[in-house]
Amino acid sequence: QLQLQESGPGLVKPSETLSLTCTVSGGSISSSGYYWGWIRQPPGKGLEWIGSIYYTGNTFYNPSLKSRVTISVDTSKIQFSLKLTSVTAADTAVYYCARRDGSGSSLDYWGQGTLVTVSS
Amino acid sequence: QSALTQPPSASGSPGQSVTISCTGTSSDVGYYNYVSWYQQHPGKAPKLMIYAVTERPSGVPDRFSGSKSGNTASLTVSGLQAEDEADYYCSSYAGSYNLVFGGGTKLTVL
Repeated sequence: QLQLQESGPGLVKPSETLSLTCTVSGGSISSSGYYWGWIRQPPGKGLEWIGSIYYTGNTFYNPSLKSRVTISVDTSKIQFSLKLTSVTAADTAVYYCARRDGSGSSLDYWGQGTLVTVSS
Repeated sequence: QSALTQPPSASGSPGQSVTISCTGTSSDVGYYNYVSWYQQHPGKAPKLMIYAVTERPSGVPDRFSGSKSGNTASLTVSGLQAEDEADYYCSSYAGSYNLVFGGGTKLTVL
């Protein structure tokens, strides 16, 4: 059974960089046709797609966040990572990593999520 | 890209059916047959319930069904059960690898 687990600091200061890692177990991150992505959910609000990466390193970002987001993949460690620069309080959210089906764009496996708070 | 539009709330009694709508545009919901629906219980990660407009992943009860007409997709839950009470989110492929979500609908089982 594929499992995803987010890890990283739960508190980030304003203007600094948020960094999270998603570790994949029970399957291959190099599976053809699947993308790996990040989604976030501010407290009490809806879901927002941040971006996705293919195991080859091709990345695709939400246009509204593109200038601040970098997603990378380390196939040897079966991990992919998120960096979000110049954070503000508006970036406070639960961050989820998930597997995205490349053929239909559904998100079929999710991590449990990790709350990141932006505060001084 | 703008968020898809969902009603903030929906409700029904046990055993009844309820339908949740998800309205997009001719650039997302109306153009692609790549609408998904997710169920989220409080404090939990979303769970995929419907993909490709009408398809159910293995293990999802057939009480859950999806459809689409024009720019609006719908999720119908038949034979409502107490455990169906949750937030439901739709999403659609919006081209250029972009994904857009709806604002979510809180389903209450009366």
